[in-house]
Amino acid sequence: DTGVSQNPRHKITKRGQNVTFRCDPISEHNRLYWYRQTLGQGPEFLTYFQNEAQLEKSRLLSDRFSAERPKGSFSTLEIQRTEQGDSAMYLCASSYSGGNPVEQYFGPGTRLTVT
Amino acid sequence: AQSVTQLDSQVPVFEEAPVELRCNYSSSVSVYLFWYVQYPNQGLQLLLKYLSGSTLVKGINGFEAEFNKSQTSFHLRKPSVHISDTAEYFCAVIRNQGGKLIFGQGTELSVKP
Repeated sequence: DTGVSQNPRHKITKRGQNVTFRCDPISEHNRLYWYRQTLGQGPEFLTYFQNEAQLEKSRLLSDRFSAERPKGSFSTLEIQRTEQGDSAMYLCASSYSGGNPVEQYFGPGTRLTVT
Repeated sequence: AQSVTQLDSQVPVFEEAPVELRCNYSSSVSVYLFWYVQYPNQGLQLLLKYLSGSTLVKGINGFEAEFNKSQTSFHLRKPSVHISDTAEYFCAVIRNQGGKLIFGQGTELSVKP
């Protein structure tokens, strides 16, 4: 098991462009979470999935943000019309609801810089 | 709703000295508690967790934490720190049923020789 992977690790984009990030969870994990971490702050919850179903979304997830997990495996997080305030580390985590559902394993993150 | 407060944003300490990183939480429902460590430009690594049972929990890298329900605290301790412990530490809570983690603002531990 290679753990949670995220791609790309770094993304620089110009304001107004769309970006998409990918997260591959640990293979047997059916829950997948997205968090955002700005400089000097703790991670903030964005959304999470159990299998294909999106179970909860934060109000931080504006209409410019969309997350999908079409086959219950990998997930994508898309940000449309990026703004400078979107610059942050985007973290993905996964867990297994059949075991200890509270223990989440984090990926290395995708650092987004909007210029 | 749940919230987490880490009482110190920065903790400088000399190598081999003891350290305590403080965490208080607030919740109207039962929660589980965690400490995560984050090294520069990396994701979060679980240090330790309190789910139930003994209130003193031991984690990786010689860290331990004590759950105090009456004081709603979960302070992290290490009797002797190393340079390699320099990192950002996050306290977090989650409802017993699972779902989202709620994190504190983080404490930057800086270990000096």
